[in-house]
Amino acid sequence: IAGITQAPTSQILAAGRRMTLRCTQDMRHNAMYWYRQDLGLGLRLIHYSNTAGTTGKGEVPDGYSVSRANTDDFPLTLASAVPSQTSVYFCASSDSSRGAWMGGYTFGSGTRLTVV
Amino acid sequence: GESVGLHLPTLSVQEGDNSIINCAYSNSASDYFIWYKQESGKGPQFIIDIRSNMDKRQGQRVTVLLNKTVKHLSLQIAATQPGDSAVYFCAAFPGYSSASKIIFGSGTRLSIRP
Repeated sequence: IAGITQAPTSQILAAGRRMTLRCTQDMRHNAMYWYRQDLGLGLRLIHYSNTAGTTGKGEVPDGYSVSRANTDDFPLTLASAVPSQTSVYFCASSDSSRGAWMGGYTFGSGTRLTVV
Repeated sequence: GESVGLHLPTLSVQEGDNSIINCAYSNSASDYFIWYKQESGKGPQFIIDIRSNMDKRQGQRVTVLLNKTVKHLSLQIAATQPGDSAVYFCAAFPGYSSASKIIFGSGTRLSIRP
């Protein structure tokens, strides 16, 4: 593993089903984030975690939940998927311990989710 | 709040020419800015950053200019190559106290004409 790994790469999901998107980083970054990317809307923050054991809501948190049991993993769960959650999901991390925002974020390659 | 916008959704340039991608931000308290490059099917990648105490920063073939007076940011790519084809995002960090989020622009798609 180098950087951030997201799984699955893509998924087609029936509406109403539960789904967990996985995100693992090996850089020991303290902060992690989930974004969704939709055409014309750019990247929008869903949830974030500044450090293991803490989470916070972003711009579009409804319908999603996260947990941060350890430094490396930050799964995103859709409890009951709806078609409006069709999107590309990016996990990201940052090391704010080196001084706020030095180098910004490292992103994963994304999960393309289609809810039908 | 913060919003970040890009002046053009698409930009087409001749291979070998210089490219200029522009970005405007709304929050004068933003003190750190990043340009990201996103190739098709991949996540955004860091290109270059700049702090609000600077007005210019140069990297390899890229230069970022910051005009705090008009809250404007630009990315200049010298001698544009086919591998520069991508969507470019600017991102603004709304101050040290906001440890949770970057505000991203919606992106400009750069295409290269042979």
